[in-house]
Amino acid sequence: EADIYQTPRYLVIGTGKKITLECSQTMGHDKMYWYQQDPGMELHLIHYSYGVNSTEKGDLSSESTVSRIRTEHFPLTLESARPSHTSQYLCASSEGKHSGNTIYFGEGSWLTVV
Amino acid sequence: EDQVTQSPEALRLQEGESSSLNCSYTVSGLRGLFWYRQDPGKGPEFLFTLYSAGEEKEKERLKATLTKKESFLHITAPKPEDSATYLCAVRPSGGSNYKLTFGKGTLLTVNP
Repeated sequence: EADIYQTPRYLVIGTGKKITLECSQTMGHDKMYWYQQDPGMELHLIHYSYGVNSTEKGDLSSESTVSRIRTEHFPLTLESARPSHTSQYLCASSEGKHSGNTIYFGEGSWLTVV
Repeated sequence: EDQVTQSPEALRLQEGESSSLNCSYTVSGLRGLFWYRQDPGKGPEFLFTLYSAGEEKEKERLKATLTKKESFLHITAPKPEDSATYLCAVRPSGGSNYKLTFGKGTLLTVNP
């Protein structure tokens, strides 16, 4: 079982503000991911990382950016938030040694942009 | 294009009334099929991984099965605490090995 911590859990911010969603995992997993999920809808991959200094964009276009300076830390940043960014953001990680390895998720960060 | 379709979208059961959830998939080869449980406002919680047709896995009142085109999540004698959204996801064998394609989920409500 993975321990993945996301902060903040809930956030309401004004349009144009910069926001960073934090994500940390304690298992030493190589791969980390950010998914976006709107209520009642599928999860969509927006960013992933194979390891330190490795980041790629996912299937769903996103205006957010990510960084992976340490194995355990994978923050997501929105430079200028807009109401269209209102959603739930889920951080996840996996071991990465085998392509069938399970992806474990954090509790999620609910972002509301007003 | 990889697709995952879950049915029904919502299911309401009485406590003790067994049933099954369906996950139909279309992928260019299957590297793994995953079942997750998601409670409101929380992240998905891992339940099972299935890799090949004919494989079955069980956990408490849940049993997952896999064929070449679909997977079933059987719930035996459910309890109210089993109420949640159940998500199915597939990892195709072609392309990058990071990608999971998710279905929209089945919202299960178990009434006491």
